[in-house]
Amino acid sequence: EAQVTQNPRYLITVTGKKLTVTCSQNMNHEYMSWYRQDPGLGLRQIYYSMNVEVTDKGDVPEGYKVSRKEKRNFPLILESPSPNQTSLYFCASSHRTGGYEQYFGPGTRLTVT
Amino acid sequence: AQSVTQLGSHVSVSEGALVLLRCNYSSSVPPYLFWYVQYPNQGLQLLLKYTSAATLVKGINGFEAEFKKSETSFHLTKPSAHMSDAAEYFCAVRFNFGNEKLTFGTGTRLTIIP
Repeated sequence: EAQVTQNPRYLITVTGKKLTVTCSQNMNHEYMSWYRQDPGLGLRQIYYSMNVEVTDKGDVPEGYKVSRKEKRNFPLILESPSPNQTSLYFCASSHRTGGYEQYFGPGTRLTVT
Repeated sequence: AQSVTQLGSHVSVSEGALVLLRCNYSSSVPPYLFWYVQYPNQGLQLLLKYTSAATLVKGINGFEAEFKKSETSFHLTKPSAHMSDAAEYFCAVRFNFGNEKLTFGTGTRLTIIP
């Protein structure tokens, strides 16, 4: 089944404790992206990757890191989480040709206390 | 700046009534346009998309949307609402064909009244 998976689905952590949210897709997509969803703000792009070893900042990159060492994986790293990073996070992927539909993972709800 | 506006953060309609969710975008160049639906505690699912073919686009679950270049709009409609349509709906636009980025509206929560 074609899908984007994220882990963990739920995470409660404390300020300053490094964490990684994993994202994996099995559709051989070149493009991957991370978004955060906050009430009243919709989804905002954090980082994106056009292909392996090619990443760039989105609209709200502060406090986040990413890497793209393999085509299928695109982890999101919070080196020192803060309470303002409490949010719902989505990973998405798509081909760079055709209809450009982005497929979304199920989301990771992060709470930083 | 390029932006996407969804009028009405909450919309309520009676079961069987017309659903109309509004989306406007700011761009002089026709972009790619999408509607996604998010059910409680789930990810986003594509409803339909416009990619410069027919201006009236049909999607899943009986939804459709019409691209109107002169009004820079892409409103979502469904002739007869069903209880299962209760969800949050997001309009998304790809303005820049270089990085595939989607710019989202702030979402509209649709409530269906029995």
